[in-house]
Amino acid sequence: DARVTQTPRHKVTEMGQEVTMRCQPILGHNTVFWYRQTMMQGLELLAYFRNRAPLDDSGMPKDRFSAEMPDATLATLKIQPSEPRDSAVYFCASGLSQADEQYFGPGTRLTVT
Amino acid sequence: GESVGLHLPTLSVQEGDNSIINCAYSNSASDYFIWYKQESGKGPQFIIDIRSNMDKRQGQRVTVLLNKTVKHLSLQIAATQPGDSAVYFCAVSSGSARQLTFGSGTQLTVLP
Repeated sequence: DARVTQTPRHKVTEMGQEVTMRCQPILGHNTVFWYRQTMMQGLELLAYFRNRAPLDDSGMPKDRFSAEMPDATLATLKIQPSEPRDSAVYFCASGLSQADEQYFGPGTRLTVT
Repeated sequence: GESVGLHLPTLSVQEGDNSIINCAYSNSASDYFIWYKQESGKGPQFIIDIRSNMDKRQGQRVTVLLNKTVKHLSLQIAATQPGDSAVYFCAVSSGSARQLTFGSGTQLTVLP
């Protein structure tokens, strides 16, 4: 069945290293969202794309985070350099622009030491 | 902006009983509401949604009730089962941006 996939599922890295997370949206979906989930802040929207164009990335720390959609089947979220406070679960979700529901991937659990 | 809050961070129910999870939102212009279930180690899973032109919507064992007057949303789960144990989030959307604002989640525990 159709679902959002994310890789890697787990990532442990040292402070200062670059981290790249990948997302494959559901085929045919034209909106992609990146969220971060922590115990303290809950689910926070980092960025979202419609038809591969970034519409809002105001939730992202601009100096170290970047999000792109190289093509309709791949979205990436990059952190460079990573910091311990970036430790969280990062979710990608996809949907259709004419609908409101979003379908989430399994997440990437990032630990920065 | 929108803020979304759940009334209780945790809820314990006996297996077979009905569960009710409540959510409040602040923006009277919110017009789309959705409930997600998140099991440990997984992403949020869509349960049921409702638009502001409706007061009630039913799914399989779940019902969502919307009270726009007091800006309140609830999720009712009938005959709660052990597999229903999870964190439940409500989320609301409004305006042209169509972004979802999430509540903080309620941990539902089903007791044997």
